[in-house]
Amino acid sequence: QVQLQESGPGLVKPPQTLSLTCNVSGGSISISGYYWSWIRQLPGSGLEWIGYIYYNGDTYYNPSLRSRVAISIDTSTNHFSLNLTSVTAADTAVYYCARDNGGYWEYWGQGALVTVSS
Amino acid sequence: EIVLTQSPGTLSLSPGEGATLSCRASQSVTSSYFAWYQQKPGQAPRLLIYDASRRATAIPDRFSGSGSGTDFTLTISRLEPEDFAVYYCQQYGNSPWTFGQGTKVEIK
Repeated sequence: QVQLQESGPGLVKPPQTLSLTCNVSGGSISISGYYWSWIRQLPGSGLEWIGYIYYNGDTYYNPSLRSRVAISIDTSTNHFSLNLTSVTAADTAVYYCARDNGGYWEYWGQGALVTVSS
Repeated sequence: EIVLTQSPGTLSLSPGEGATLSCRASQSVTSSYFAWYQQKPGQAPRLLIYDASRRATAIPDRFSGSGSGTDFTLTISRLEPEDFAVYYCQQYGNSPWTFGQGTKVEIK
């Protein structure tokens, strides 16, 4: 069974860069047909898809965040990462990594709370 | 982007009753690429339904999805104690993928 686990700082100062890593176990991140996504849940429950990456490095981002987001992948260590630049308090959220089956997500990490505050 | 509006905001029901949750899209969702998730406090969302009506792995058959175009429904035939949670709809037919704001199913 595929398992995902987010890791990274829980507190980020504005306007620094938020960086999170998702470690994938129980299966290869290089498997064809699946994408690897980041999704966040803002206070008050709103869920927002951030973007995804394929094992070959192809990426696609939500236009609302595209100018500040970069997702990368390391197939040798079976993990992928999120960088979000110039953060503000509005980026405070629980960040999830998930396996993307083509637009929907069956396997999720447990989530990482990131607070943006000076 | 497609805006998804869920109704009602809260549903107060008793175990054993049936539940009908609705989600309306601001424009037609391509090819019924539509999903439903269940979320409990402190947990990640759990996939229930994808492609509008297909149950995900290990999801009980009391959960069913239907709909097309702009109107989609999640039906829970008989509520079990573990079904009281927040439910989200999501579309993946038009980028960016978007979510509804959630319906809370609470114990009456």
